[in-house]
Amino acid sequence: EVQLVESGGGVARPGGSLRLSCSASGFTFDDYGMSWVRQAPGKGLEWVSGINWNGGSTGYADSVKGRFTISRDNAKNSLYLQINSLRAEDTALYYCARGPHYDFWSGPLDYWGQGTLVTVSS
Amino acid sequence: QSALTQPASVSGSPGQSITISCTGTSSDVGSYNLVSWYQQHPGKAPKLMIYEGSKRPSGISNRFSGSKSGNTASLTISGLQAEDEADYYCCSYAGSSTLVFGGGTNLTVL
Repeated sequence: EVQLVESGGGVARPGGSLRLSCSASGFTFDDYGMSWVRQAPGKGLEWVSGINWNGGSTGYADSVKGRFTISRDNAKNSLYLQINSLRAEDTALYYCARGPHYDFWSGPLDYWGQGTLVTVSS
Repeated sequence: QSALTQPASVSGSPGQSITISCTGTSSDVGSYNLVSWYQQHPGKAPKLMIYEGSKRPSGISNRFSGSKSGNTASLTISGLQAEDEADYYCCSYAGSSTLVFGGGTNLTVL
């Protein structure tokens, strides 16, 4: 059974940093691209970032480019999102999602975690 | 990276069919056969319903179908059931290794 479990969310101050993690199981992690998708309270889904199977190719939404960094450790079956220079508008539930084989953009997000909540507040 | 355009809400009675549109541009929906649709119930994670415009993952009812014409993709749900009441989101590849979601559509089953 495919499982994705996010962690690392919490309350942080504007300008601060957080590192989100996603632990994957039930599939061959290094065969798949992965993405982070966020959802602000009461709002819609927003794709944030994606990474290919070996970390050699990444993509970011314009709203986070230069502040967020996606990475993965295939030996640990884990996906990460380093969030710097936090803003109030980064407050959201952050989901980890499995993408297609090898890249992260040529197919759907077929499995999702339950999300980890990031709250940016002074 | 502008969000794809979806109607904020649609409604239908049990047994009826509804269609949700998802309008993009020639840079995203119109250029690639990479539109997917997701269902999200309150407090739950999104669930993949349609991919590559019209394909259903294993286990998804054939009451759900997808199509595309030009820059607009559509999700049709036939034989509406109470459990179909949820938010629905489209998503497309937008070029340059980016994805873009629609704003979401709230479906009410009357």
